[in-house]
Amino acid sequence: KNQVEQSPQSLIILEGKNCTLQCNYTVSPFSNLRWYKQDTGRGPVSLTIMTFSENTKSNGRYTATLDADTKQSSLHITASQLSDSASYICVVSFMFSGGYNKLIFGAGTRLAVHP
Amino acid sequence: SAVISQKPSRDICQRGTSLTIQCQVDSQVTMMFWYRQQPGQSLTLIATANQGSEATYESGFVIDKFPISRPNLTFSTLTVSNMSPEDSSIYLCSVVPGYGFEAFFGQGTRLTVV
Repeated sequence: KNQVEQSPQSLIILEGKNCTLQCNYTVSPFSNLRWYKQDTGRGPVSLTIMTFSENTKSNGRYTATLDADTKQSSLHITASQLSDSASYICVVSFMFSGGYNKLIFGAGTRLAVHP
Repeated sequence: SAVISQKPSRDICQRGTSLTIQCQVDSQVTMMFWYRQQPGQSLTLIATANQGSEATYESGFVIDKFPISRPNLTFSTLTVSNMSPEDSSIYLCSVVPGYGFEAFFGQGTRLTVV
């Protein structure tokens, strides 16, 4: 069964600290892995997208890693800011019939950054 | 990229009534997707809407409850019919402009059924 599991479920850190969020998946055949940030009351916004051959990708203070062998990904946030408080969702896509990607969503990690 | 305008952003509805959610994209896209996100949960795909054909529904979702229209390549609507409190959720539309492209999401419609 295609699944995406994220940990931790929630996390509280102090402003300026770093943190790492984890994502394990069992999606096959794998197409790409995405990390999204979802602010409360808003739709998800893409942070990174990685294909099978990419091990790491950065977007400002966000760095995502991918180990396609172990089917694990992580999102590292550096020097956290209050505006980083949001849910972070790991999404894995696979090629569905008809040639388009179908997305499997993790439940998300709810991050709270405190001053 | 794609910019999606979704409305209404929120609504409070009486049980037994229906609500139609609109999704407008600033560019032509072949496929649009409708998701439901229940409180504290992940996004669940309701259906895939192709222009000019019937929507394809995921297991657990039926056309009578969630009729979808896709009259052209930039617009779609999702109706939540005969609502009950269990339908209280956030509903989001999404597009993928091309193969391998990232998915873009509307801001969501927060629905509360009382």
